[in-house]
Amino acid sequence: TQLLEQSPQFLSIQEGENLTVYCNSSSVFSSLQWYRQEPGEGPVLLVTVVTGGEVKKLKRLTFQFGDARKDSSLHITAAQPGDTGLYLCAGAGGNTGKLIFGQGTTLQVKP
Amino acid sequence: GAVVSQHPSWVICKSGTSVKIECRSLDFQATTMFWYRQFPKQSLMLMATSNEGSKATYEQGVEKDKFLINHASLTLSTLTVTSAHPEDSSFYICSADIQETQYFGPGTRLLVL
Repeated sequence: TQLLEQSPQFLSIQEGENLTVYCNSSSVFSSLQWYRQEPGEGPVLLVTVVTGGEVKKLKRLTFQFGDARKDSSLHITAAQPGDTGLYLCAGAGGNTGKLIFGQGTTLQVKP
Repeated sequence: GAVVSQHPSWVICKSGTSVKIECRSLDFQATTMFWYRQFPKQSLMLMATSNEGSKATYEQGVEKDKFLINHASLTLSTLTVTSAHPEDSSFYICSADIQETQYFGPGTRLLVL
């Protein structure tokens, strides 16, 4: 059974601080997605990483896919209150199209 | 592109009634859609995979007679919660798959009284 361990599960920081969220697995994924979800809404896709070692940047967000495609990280620089939300990583690995989700990281950025 | 809609966005019903939730891919065709359930501040829990033109595949522990899924066209999948009870109250979210990336609907909040 494929599992994706996401940490930390809760994070409360001050505006301007940096943070990193990690997703780790013993399984190899063909791709990995990061989503952000606000209360009462569906998850919104932030990025898809496909190649081992890949780094993608989205403004203040930096996403990295591990060389072995078993882990990924999301780094936010100078967090803003608007970054508050639930961040989800999800790995794709089989031919069913199913995603394996991490437990999620609830981020609160205080002004 | 890759917009997925859900209807209704929220619904309140009496215990014992059935509720239908629609999931539509607005600007693309989706042979595969997924239905999830989410509890507050938790991750998504996959309920079933909806396949156009064939039976849905349910995850272990999900009652297929309780949660009826129909995927009659390439742009529409429906989830019907039959004989709903208060414990079925939850946030239900659908997604549509494009090349291993899933795009999610806005979710449907169900409250069963």
